[in-house]
Amino acid sequence: DAGITQSPRHKVTETGTPVTLRCHQTENHRYMYWYRQDPGHGLRLIHYSYGVKDTDKGEVSDGYSVSRSKTEDFLLTLESATSSQTSVYFCAISESTRASTDTQYFGPGTRLTVL
Amino acid sequence: GESVGLHLPTLSVQEGDNSIINCAYSNSASDYFIWYKQESGKGPQFIIDIRSNMDKRQGQRVTVLLNKTVKHLSLQIAATQPGDSAVYFCAETPASGGSYIPTFGRGTSLIVHP
Repeated sequence: DAGITQSPRHKVTETGTPVTLRCHQTENHRYMYWYRQDPGHGLRLIHYSYGVKDTDKGEVSDGYSVSRSKTEDFLLTLESATSSQTSVYFCAISESTRASTDTQYFGPGTRLTVL
Repeated sequence: GESVGLHLPTLSVQEGDNSIINCAYSNSASDYFIWYKQESGKGPQFIIDIRSNMDKRQGQRVTVLLNKTVKHLSLQIAATQPGDSAVYFCAETPASGGSYIPTFGRGTSLIVHP
């Protein structure tokens, strides 16, 4: 398995509270991604990073922010959690975004419940 | 089968049978395709990939077929085992557009009966 860990693995929080999820990799891959997975929707990209301090939005970025201060860590923050953000969150890494030479490898996921 | 973006079908097979999981992709500009396996409570796991300049690629017990004419991808699993029970989904990535971010299908649930 690719060296990707996510923390916490499970979290229950209340509406309006801030939440930060952490993704840590030991592969020294340049690209990191945050996805959410919901029944009936599959994986949807929230944000991604193409280098330290270089990030961009995905298709469902509203209500989320990210930071990457080191190659190995990519943080996802929900500034004020809402019930619609209850989901399973996956981090992924890849060596490059040139898809024909690249594959995304996924972490184990974080199950977030917002009450 | 599934379309990238539609609901989750289920395929039930007996142990030892061959399984075929289908995926209809939407973007004719996609040039790289991946099949993932996701077991309950785990993250997606890479199985096999194929580029658009190929029609077929084989791995260990798995084969991916690509038909660009009808924008169809399939995953064949030989001698299916109970450990193959999982959700399988395909991902397509366009050759152009700058970001090369893949689009994921919602998956097909494979159930293998002993």
